[in-house]
Amino acid sequence: DGGITQSPKYLFRKEGQNVTLSCEQNLNHDAMYWYRQDPGQGLRLIYYSQIVNDFQKGDIAEGYSVSREKKESFPLTVTSAQKNPTAFYLCASSIRGGQGHTDTQYFGPGTRLTVL
Amino acid sequence: AQSVTQPDIHITVSEGASLELRCNYSYGATPYLFWYVQSPGQGLQLLLKYFSGDTLVQGIKGFEAEFKRSQSSFNLRKPSVHWSDAAEYFCAVGFNAGGTSYGKLTFGQGTILTVHP
Repeated sequence: DGGITQSPKYLFRKEGQNVTLSCEQNLNHDAMYWYRQDPGQGLRLIYYSQIVNDFQKGDIAEGYSVSREKKESFPLTVTSAQKNPTAFYLCASSIRGGQGHTDTQYFGPGTRLTVL
Repeated sequence: AQSVTQPDIHITVSEGASLELRCNYSYGATPYLFWYVQSPGQGLQLLLKYFSGDTLVQGIKGFEAEFKRSQSSFNLRKPSVHWSDAAEYFCAVGFNAGGTSYGKLTFGQGTILTVHP
């Protein structure tokens, strides 16, 4: 079955540590996205990638980093510079990501990160 | 700036009752419109979407939504709610993707639906 997988489902981090969240898709989608979800705030875009080896900052990129070395993978690193990283992180993908396109985004199951 | 508003943070209905969840957006042109549903601790599932054409769209699980340009709204409806519909619902809007835009989605803050037996 095609879909988006995120791992781990739960992640605990000590203050000052970097952690990497995994996102993999087998939908053959060009575009991938990372969102952060906090209670009562909806989803906020962290980073997005329209194509392999390219990515752009979203609305809340500070303290985060990404890479897009393969079409199917878009890992997110939460660095120690992120002041309040405890949140639910969602990865999504869409068929196209180039200029002039707004396609349906499909979501993974999410990773809950807790900073101890 | 473009924005999306879901005025109701929390709605409670009885099982079997009708449901309407509100979504309003601020934008000058016709947007792309989506409704997603999220169960606790899960990802978002697409319920329905509107890109163009008939302004009344049908989705999964018996949901429908109507795009009203004059009111800048895209309200979600269901004639008879089931206990399994209890979840959080998000309206999302994709604004004009021409030019330098890539087709970003802006999400509302969500509406939590509680269903009483």
